[in-house]
Amino acid sequence: DTGVSQNPRHKITKRGQNVTFRCDPISEHNRLYWYRQTLGQGPEFLTYFQNEAQLEKSRLLSDRFSAERPKGSFSTLEIQRTEQGDSAMYLCASSTGQGSWDTEAFFGQGTRLTVV
Amino acid sequence: AQKVTQAQTEISVVEKEDVTLDCVYETRDTTYYLFWYKQPPSGELVFLIRRNSFDEQNEISGRYSWNFQKSTSSFNFTITASQVVDSAVYFCALSEARGADGLTFGKGTHLIIQP
Repeated sequence: DTGVSQNPRHKITKRGQNVTFRCDPISEHNRLYWYRQTLGQGPEFLTYFQNEAQLEKSRLLSDRFSAERPKGSFSTLEIQRTEQGDSAMYLCASSTGQGSWDTEAFFGQGTRLTVV
Repeated sequence: AQKVTQAQTEISVVEKEDVTLDCVYETRDTTYYLFWYKQPPSGELVFLIRRNSFDEQNEISGRYSWNFQKSTSSFNFTITASQVVDSAVYFCALSEARGADGLTFGKGTHLIIQP
């Protein structure tokens, strides 16, 4: 068990470019979450997968954002036509559970995105 | 809607002092879960504790203790005999059991332990 792994750790991109982040959850975890954290704030929920199914999406997740989790393993988060307001730390978390979410989530170290 | 308030933006204490981090939450659900996470400068959120809404028993883990009071909707965290390594941002979070819509975090309290 190597924990939740996120790549890249840092990404600098020009406004208007597309970026993709990857998250590898803990292997036996069926649930995977994406959060966004801006400076001085707590993480904000973006979306959630149970296995390969995307079950919840926050209103924060605009049409420029898309997330996938093929085969219920790793997940990718893509941001199209990036804007300066997208600059943030993107955190991935995984957990186990069925039904109500009552297990602790383990977080990765995040991908820090800077849009210039 | 659920909400978590951590009114203390930053706390600075001298090593070996005790310190309490406050957390007040709002939810309409009767079943919910409360969490505390630690975020050191490295950025990774480290899980500290999870409590469900039916268990108001206080918990102690080494130098850490948690006081859960439903009457005041609070879930406070105390570090006894603080150490420099405790310096981090601490987040309180809430999850409602009815749906898998993730955690709602407070804005965090930046704890600085001075040697």
